[in-house]
Amino acid sequence: EIVLTQSPGTLSLSPGERATLSCRASQSVSSTYLAWYQQKPGQAPRLLIYGASSRATGIPDRFSGSGSGTDFTLTISRLEPEDFAVYYCQQYGTSPFTFGPGTKVDIK
Amino acid sequence: EVQLLESGGGLVQRGGSLRLSCAASGLTFSSYAMSWVRQAPGKGLEWVSGISGSGGSTYYADSVKGRFTISRDNSKNTLFLQMDSLRAEDTAVYHCAKGSAYPYYYYYMDVWGKGTTVTFSS
Repeated sequence: EIVLTQSPGTLSLSPGERATLSCRASQSVSSTYLAWYQQKPGQAPRLLIYGASSRATGIPDRFSGSGSGTDFTLTISRLEPEDFAVYYCQQYGTSPFTFGPGTKVDIK
Repeated sequence: EVQLLESGGGLVQRGGSLRLSCAASGLTFSSYAMSWVRQAPGKGLEWVSGISGSGGSTYYADSVKGRFTISRDNSKNTLFLQMDSLRAEDTAVYHCAKGSAYPYYYYYMDVWGKGTTVTFSS
């Protein structure tokens, strides 16, 4: 099973700042099959990025993904008030298709 | 608009069984991979199981393999999760979620249902 580790656990930032979230895999993720999700309290997750760097439909361009192999990054260029949430990475290249433990982005 | 509506959650006891359903609308259901993802109270997301559009390929998390069975009825646009030998650690909100379309079945999830709650009763 591929284990995903996300860092930091919590990121405290102000609106307008840049957020950089990391996702590291215990072994190489096949063909950049890495996705990122956003989840707000009481809501289902929302797909942000798939294929490591492709934005899902309707996702603003302030969200970008990068990386390959075992190291991936989600960047939010300028935080908007609605971006404060928990972010999860998921690999879907090798079953079981595991999630990372999440990074909480909260308001400083 | 694609919609997914889960049902079938409830109170269960150790060793009990439940069958979850997910009714899909707004899509050609048989063309899409589907998954179940759960979230225990206050915890993160856990991918549970996935199934290809035809139902011919199924995948499971190690934590549920041998106890849970995923299936689908494409004539009724419905996804199922049969859960047997339930344990306290299976307590969670269970979401069904849509993956990518034939012929490339990828198990990222771009549409999610609101979930159905499974609670362990001691």
